[in-house]
Amino acid sequence: AQKVTQAQTEISVVEKEDVTLDCVYETRDTTYYLFWYKQPPSGELVFLIRRNSFDEQNEISGRYSWNFQKSTSSFNFTITASQVVDSAVYFCALSEALYNFNKFYFGSGTKLNVKP
Amino acid sequence: AAGVIQSPRHLIKEKRETATLKCYPIPRHDTVYWYQQGPGQDPQFLISFYEKMQSDKGSIPDRFSAQQFSDYHSELNMSSLELGDSALYFCASSGAGRSSYEQYFGPGTRLTVT
Repeated sequence: AQKVTQAQTEISVVEKEDVTLDCVYETRDTTYYLFWYKQPPSGELVFLIRRNSFDEQNEISGRYSWNFQKSTSSFNFTITASQVVDSAVYFCALSEALYNFNKFYFGSGTKLNVKP
Repeated sequence: AAGVIQSPRHLIKEKRETATLKCYPIPRHDTVYWYQQGPGQDPQFLISFYEKMQSDKGSIPDRFSAQQFSDYHSELNMSSLELGDSALYFCASSGAGRSSYEQYFGPGTRLTVT
């Protein structure tokens, strides 16, 4: 079963629009970590945020904000006033704390196209 | 700050050849992870090492092997390459096991098999 689901395969918006990328996860652990990464066309994985399961406080960083809701197992990512430079593939990932050596489970990614 | 180093960054091989990818973790990191990302796909976990011992194994083909050396760098050896092995290979490193949620990814090695 997929542990991380990103139902939106591709989203296209016009610059300055707000856009929300959805992420739903599945785990039996009570302690886990959630991440968002940006992957531009150059290919590297750019770390955006890490959240642990005990911290449901939403976070804002500039134009980026994250909404973590354990009740719905969701960790959504919103970009406000999108820019062309935001165009990339965005991955949500989960790391479970049951074991010491915790591989990441990635979602299938959402490709964001921001048009001028 | 020092980051994870991967070499080479790009590699072109022919079918049935072998390839070796190298990963140099962040200093004082003792755990290394390898991920494979096929075209248009998400990164998939292959294998990890802690203190030079294999700590976890994912969907790594039998044609692939990996190890971690005494200086903590790791190498992924791929033999009898197939066209489907063309992918972006990421290495990540972390500190001691319990802080493994803090994985730092390298820039990746793009392998093309022709």
